[in-house]
Amino acid sequence: KNQVEQSPQSLIILEGKNCTLQCNYTVSPFSNLRWYKQDTGRGPVSLTIMTFSENTKSNGRYTATLDADTKQSSLHITASQLSDSASYICVVSADNAGNMLTFGGGTRLMVKP
Amino acid sequence: ETGVTQTPRHLVMGMTNKKSLKCEQHLGHNAMYWYKQSAKKPLELMFVYSLEERVENNSVPSRFSPECPNSSHLFLHLHTLQPEDSALYLCASSQEYIAADTQYFGPGTRLTVL
Repeated sequence: KNQVEQSPQSLIILEGKNCTLQCNYTVSPFSNLRWYKQDTGRGPVSLTIMTFSENTKSNGRYTATLDADTKQSSLHITASQLSDSASYICVVSADNAGNMLTFGGGTRLMVKP
Repeated sequence: ETGVTQTPRHLVMGMTNKKSLKCEQHLGHNAMYWYKQSAKKPLELMFVYSLEERVENNSVPSRFSPECPNSSHLFLHLHTLQPEDSALYLCASSQEYIAADTQYFGPGTRLTVL
């Protein structure tokens, strides 16, 4: 069964600090992994996408890593801002028919001043 | 942000009501999706349409009925819902129904069933 597990479930940090969110997956055959940001009351927005051959991808202050051997990914947020407060969802696609996604439960991040 | 729109943004309905959720995408995509997001649970895929044909139906109860009249519009018709159906319903679209294509989400409809 395809699964995506994220940790921690929630996290509180002070503005300006860095943090790292974790994602473990058991999706097979693997196609790609995305990190989405979901603000409260809004739909998820894609931050990064990585395929099997990529092990790091940056988008501004967000840097995602992928270890396809251990089936782990992380999202590192640098110099956090209040606007980073959101849920971060790890999403994995399987390389078979269609565009079926397996979603993690998300990490709810709160950045405090 | 405005590539995928959903209406209404909030909906409160009784268990005997009939209502419809609407999704419109302005991205020229060929695949559209309905998801359910309940509190503290991962997003659950409900339906997928590719080129206006339904290609996935993830064991969704018949009280949810999708409709895709054209590639830009997707509806979710609701009738005789249960309180446990209260959730955020998200619509998404992608260029094609393939794993390489990013899904773009709408803002969602917050549904409360009384």
